[in-house]
Amino acid sequence: QKEVEQNSGPLSVPEGAIASLNCTYSDRGSQSFFWYRQYSGKSPELIMFIYSNGDKEDGRFTAQLNKASQYVSLLIRDSQPSDSATYLCAPGYRGDSKIIFGSGTRLSIRP
Amino acid sequence: GAVVSQHPSWVICKSGTSVKIECRSLDFQATTMFWYRQFPKQSLMLMATSNEGSKATYEQGVEKDKFLINHASLTLSTLTVTSAHPEDSSFYICSARDTSGSTGELFFGEGSRLTVL
Repeated sequence: QKEVEQNSGPLSVPEGAIASLNCTYSDRGSQSFFWYRQYSGKSPELIMFIYSNGDKEDGRFTAQLNKASQYVSLLIRDSQPSDSATYLCAPGYRGDSKIIFGSGTRLSIRP
Repeated sequence: GAVVSQHPSWVICKSGTSVKIECRSLDFQATTMFWYRQFPKQSLMLMATSNEGSKATYEQGVEKDKFLINHASLTLSTLTVTSAHPEDSSFYICSARDTSGSTGELFFGEGSRLTVL
């Protein structure tokens, strides 16, 4: 059973629009989450970390965490072609516990 | 921030040979490292958890005799693909969590692209 579930997409968004990526999780004990971005042929890179309910903003990115509903989302404002990538969510600090990633959501920004 | 370094970034080998991939945590100690494999247009698949000073824990379906993992120090884990075959061609990525930090961020190596001819 995967820890997180994401719509694999592809999600196509016009340049300049808001891209909305969602992730649901099964472990109610998860207290924090990371969002990673993975470009084709590259390894994942961290873009956001959120540990409390509500919103966290960083530049064009906003992460939202709703622990009651067990979902975390990532909004990308003013989407750029360079945002085209696969986005992965993952639970945060849990000692040395392994992380089994979901499929991630493939985002495509069309000019 | 913490860095995980992986080497080599790409390797081409003949079928039947063995290939070793190194994963190093450069500025933190990692008692546990994780090895993932990714085929084109597919998701990251966890292969095994590498434990410093003890045997690795393999995921179901991953052959431990084929994918040898050694975690001899707190900063180095190696993955050896033994008797490689074309179907082993893939993108291998290691990762480690800096448990001394407050966030528990999982850091990824640059990945190693293996092509078996």
